[in-house]
Amino acid sequence: NAGVTQTPKFQVLKTGQSMTLQCAQDMNHNSMYWYRQDPGMGLRLIYYSASEGTTDKGEVPNGYNVSRLNKREFSLRLESAAPSQTSVYFCASKFRDYEQYFGPGTRLTVT
Amino acid sequence: QKEVEQNSGPLSVPEGAIASLNCTYSDRGSQSFFWYRQYSGKSPELIMFIYSNGDKEDGRFTAQLNKASQYVSLLIRDSQPSDSATYLCAVRGPNAGKSTFGDGTTLTVKP
Repeated sequence: NAGVTQTPKFQVLKTGQSMTLQCAQDMNHNSMYWYRQDPGMGLRLIYYSASEGTTDKGEVPNGYNVSRLNKREFSLRLESAAPSQTSVYFCASKFRDYEQYFGPGTRLTVT
Repeated sequence: QKEVEQNSGPLSVPEGAIASLNCTYSDRGSQSFFWYRQYSGKSPELIMFIYSNGDKEDGRFTAQLNKASQYVSLLIRDSQPSDSATYLCAVRGPNAGKSTFGDGTTLTVKP
């Protein structure tokens, strides 16, 4: 099993450009999450999906949109990137009330 | 007041010592508590979880929970240089969908 995979690993965008971060899990988990992590800080929840077909806002949803394409895949879209969105983005998934499994992260720089 | 607060660190201990990491939370309805370890440049991985008041031991790690005091801690016995990492406390409320993370405590174990 690959667990949680994310693409791309690194990305540089110019201000105003758009992009989609992809996440997939092969553990048959119902819930999936997108976090951002800024230097010296913990994980802040952007959006999550408790099950296929549902999505909810987290702490910091502004400037982002998500799509739960199917049970395996959960994508995060930046419509018009801003320097404040420079961060490391982690996707995670979990089964019921158990722990979350994290992907390797995407390092995004917006210039 | 932040929902989940951790010692700001950094914390430095000599090899073989006990490292004590602390976490307080504000939501009295919180039900599940997790400790993740994150090596520099890597994604978080679960170390311990605890649901009930008291202590839970797993090898060199002990998680302690006191719901009355809204306090959860992680003790690492016989600390090793390989334990040097950032430790993230995560708290999950009655809505088991979302977790809130602290900013993390960076631990350095010196040989």
